[in-house]
Amino acid sequence: DGGITQSPKYLFRKEGQNVTLSCEQNLNHDAMYWYRQDPGQGLRLIYYSQIVNDFQKGDIAEGYSVSREKKESFPLTVTSAQKNPTAFYLCASSIQFSGNTIYFGEGSWLTVV
Amino acid sequence: QQQVKQSPQSLIVQKGGIPIINCAYENTAFDYFPWYQQFPGKGPALLIAIRPDVSEKKEGRFTISFNKSAKQFSLHIMDSQPGDSATYFCAASMIETSGSRLTFGEGTQLTVNP
Repeated sequence: DGGITQSPKYLFRKEGQNVTLSCEQNLNHDAMYWYRQDPGQGLRLIYYSQIVNDFQKGDIAEGYSVSREKKESFPLTVTSAQKNPTAFYLCASSIQFSGNTIYFGEGSWLTVV
Repeated sequence: QQQVKQSPQSLIVQKGGIPIINCAYENTAFDYFPWYQQFPGKGPALLIAIRPDVSEKKEGRFTISFNKSAKQFSLHIMDSQPGDSATYFCAASMIETSGSRLTFGEGTQLTVNP
């Protein structure tokens, strides 16, 4: 089935560690996105990519990094510079960047221990 | 100017009731207004969306009402069911200039009691 696969579903990070969240889509979508969700704050855009080998910062990019080496993959690294990383992370994609529905993955829970 | 304000934060209705969730925006450049439904532990799923050239759009039991002059839009759920219990997010984007980059409201947790 076509869709967006995020892994792992649950991840625990120690203070000072970098962690990478995986996002793979087999929808042949050009555009991909990472959102962060905190209780009562809705979803906030971290990074987005309109096409392979290109990406832009969203509203809360500090402490995060991404890469887009393949069309189907858009991994997110949460670095030790991110001071409050505990959140629900959502990857999404759309056929093109302009004017299309965004589809979300199932999300990844990251907890700092 | 990029914010979308959503209310109420939570809402409880009885089965068959008509919950209404409201959103307001400031940026008149927004030209696409979707609503997403999210169940616990899952990603949001598109429910219904509207462009500012129409005042109302209905899909099944879900209706969006749009008031361009007031810069407000709302979601109505007719004949609500316990299975509609979820968190609902409104969102907005500037399709022509910023593509599918969405700005989300804070979310409304809806509970429909049997």
